Amino acid sequence: SQQGEEDPQALSIQEGENATMNCSYKTSINNLQWYRQNSGRGLVHLILIRSNEREKHSGRLRVTLDTSKKSSSLLITASRAADTASYFCATDAEDSSYKLIFGSGTRLLVRP
Amino acid sequence: GAVVSQHPSRVICKSGTSVKIECRSLDFQATTMFWYRQFPKQSLMLMATSNEGSKATYEQGVEKDKFLINHASLTLSTLTVTSAHPEDSSFYICSAQSLHGTGEIGELFFGEGSRLTVL
Repeated sequence: SQQGEEDPQALSIQEGENATMNCSYKTSINNLQWYRQNSGRGLVHLILIRSNEREKHSGRLRVTLDTSKKSSSLLITASRAADTASYFCATDAEDSSYKLIFGSGTRLLVRP
Repeated sequence: GAVVSQHPSRVICKSGTSVKIECRSLDFQATTMFWYRQFPKQSLMLMATSNEGSKATYEQGVEKDKFLINHASLTLSTLTVTSAHPEDSSFYICSAQSLHGTGEIGELFFGEGSRLTVL
């Protein structure tokens, strides 16, 4: 079952602009992760944020976590055409930290 | 980083046949592997948890007799779609948890996926 929703479902921006994607989840978590998936390919792990963290940075990525609202956001700054992909948040299941439950995903298109 | 290999990457089969998909951890041992299913433009849905040496644990709504999972060694889990039908056409992705990890959630690695098309 899916943990929650991501919005927007699809996002189209111009190269150089920032892209913000949001994720909401339903249950309490230990960690929240963001993954990227190019069309027809496997998943690439982007960043993990723990439940006791509020913000984390990795290169052009910035992730926030608000456990009171059960939501997270992924910001990609200075986007590039190569950032075009689907982005998924994933939370650990209640019975296992390694069992991930994925959000519905955001399809990002960065126009050159 | 650790590598998880899936084979085949693409398979086309006739309705009624069975298809086996392999998930291998190439440079680490994995006590637990997870199988996901993904329909076009949709998210990954967890199908089952595969435990080495024991029966798989299936998520609600997943037919265990339809999707047979075997995890016979610490480096290999297989998913067999039995008597496949067109509605089984999907992208199947596995992930593997490292045996010798420190318990960090980051030690979870994904395969490249296997696209099944049932005619």
